[in-house]
Amino acid sequence: EAGVAQSPRYKIIEKRQSVAFWCNPISGHATLYWYQQILGQGPKLLIQFQNNGVVDDSQLPKDRFSAERLKGVDSTLKIQPAKLEDSAVYLCASRGQGSSYEQYFGPGTRLTVT
Amino acid sequence: QKEVEQNSGPLSVPEGAIASLNCTYSDRVSQSFFWYRQYSGKSPELIMSIYSNGDKEDGRFTAQLNKASQYVSLLIRDSQPSDSATYLCAVNRGGTSYGKLTFGQGTILTVHP
Repeated sequence: EAGVAQSPRYKIIEKRQSVAFWCNPISGHATLYWYQQILGQGPKLLIQFQNNGVVDDSQLPKDRFSAERLKGVDSTLKIQPAKLEDSAVYLCASRGQGSSYEQYFGPGTRLTVT
Repeated sequence: QKEVEQNSGPLSVPEGAIASLNCTYSDRVSQSFFWYRQYSGKSPELIMSIYSNGDKEDGRFTAQLNKASQYVSLLIRDSQPSDSATYLCAVNRGGTSYGKLTFGQGTILTVHP
């Protein structure tokens, strides 16, 4: 079974530029999560999708971050415009159906904003 | 008070020893608990999940849960240098949270030969 796929793996941009990250979850997983992990901290949830609907985006900075999962499979997270403090690893995770809440992470995208 | 707290460490143990990692959580209705291992520069990898009070063993790993004390721990027996990593505790409150996990800041473990 293929794992969660993410691209790109690394991205360097200047502040005020825009950037987009892509995620393809494990096949059949209905729930998809985007996390931000700043160096030395645990992952922080940005947004959570159930199929193609948003179920939690309470910690997403909506003035600059947006995300979509139009067909209920892959997802895109966008930052526009980027700030220096957005430098972090952006992790995508997915979870299957059922009562287990186990989430599986992709390799992440390391973003550096200069 | 943080929702999920871990000692940041670093925790250093000799090879072959037992490493003990601790985590406390503040939300009393939390139902599911997870330990993830994260090597430097890599993404978190699920190593243990526990849902009910008591111990759960998987190979060299044992997770312990005490809901009354709001405490979950991970024991690593016969620690190996390859166990050196950051260990993340994650908690889910169940219900309508759709599996949302809240993570601690992680404990850095170093196993020295």
